[in-house]
Amino acid sequence: DAGVTQSPTHLIKTRGQQVTLRCSPKSGHDTVSWYQQALGQGPQFIFQYYEEEERQRGNFPDRFSGHQFPNYSSELNVNALLLGDSALYLCASSYGTVQETQYFGPGTRLLVL
Amino acid sequence: AQKITQTQPGMFVQEKEAVTLDCTYDTSDPSYGLFWYKQPSSGEMIFLIYQGSYDQQNATEGRYSLNFQKARKSANLVISASQLGDSAMYFCAMREKTGGTSYGKLTFGQGTILTVHP
Repeated sequence: DAGVTQSPTHLIKTRGQQVTLRCSPKSGHDTVSWYQQALGQGPQFIFQYYEEEERQRGNFPDRFSGHQFPNYSSELNVNALLLGDSALYLCASSYGTVQETQYFGPGTRLLVL
Repeated sequence: AQKITQTQPGMFVQEKEAVTLDCTYDTSDPSYGLFWYKQPSSGEMIFLIYQGSYDQQNATEGRYSLNFQKARKSANLVISASQLGDSAMYFCAMREKTGGTSYGKLTFGQGTILTVHP
């Protein structure tokens, strides 16, 4: 049973560039949440996708956008990258009802120079 | 105000001993969930244990148990018989309603680094 997968594992970008991160949920899951984890901090909720729509959003600027595809996989896009966007980006998947546990992928480490 | 507070930046324990990691939370929502995740240096967040606010008994999962004291708003993780592989960052997280609805957003604490000595 495949768990949550994310790609790429590492990424280096320069300020002002755009980046796309990808996530495939655990088999049977239909909900994808994205989190940003700065070094030494706990993860911060970015947004959650369900049925191809953004269901809930955290306190992140519009530079952060996402998408969910019919196969439940998801993308996180960040435009106009800032140095402060350097972080570990974690994707978590769950099934339908909000009471279900979220399972995380290995993350994508983004470094903005 | 911090929603989730983990006051122990680092903890040390001898192999085979038990250790308690502290977590206090703040919410006015009567229906919420509390989670503990383990994050090794590789970065992946590994789910350990869950406690619902209405659960009558403390949750247990193998060597992990959750000491849930609702009136004190604490949800401490107890790891019994520590192993070297338990060395990692541990996060407490809460799921609660926002504006009357709940879509599963997790709010995390700052984490506690656990080091297990042989």
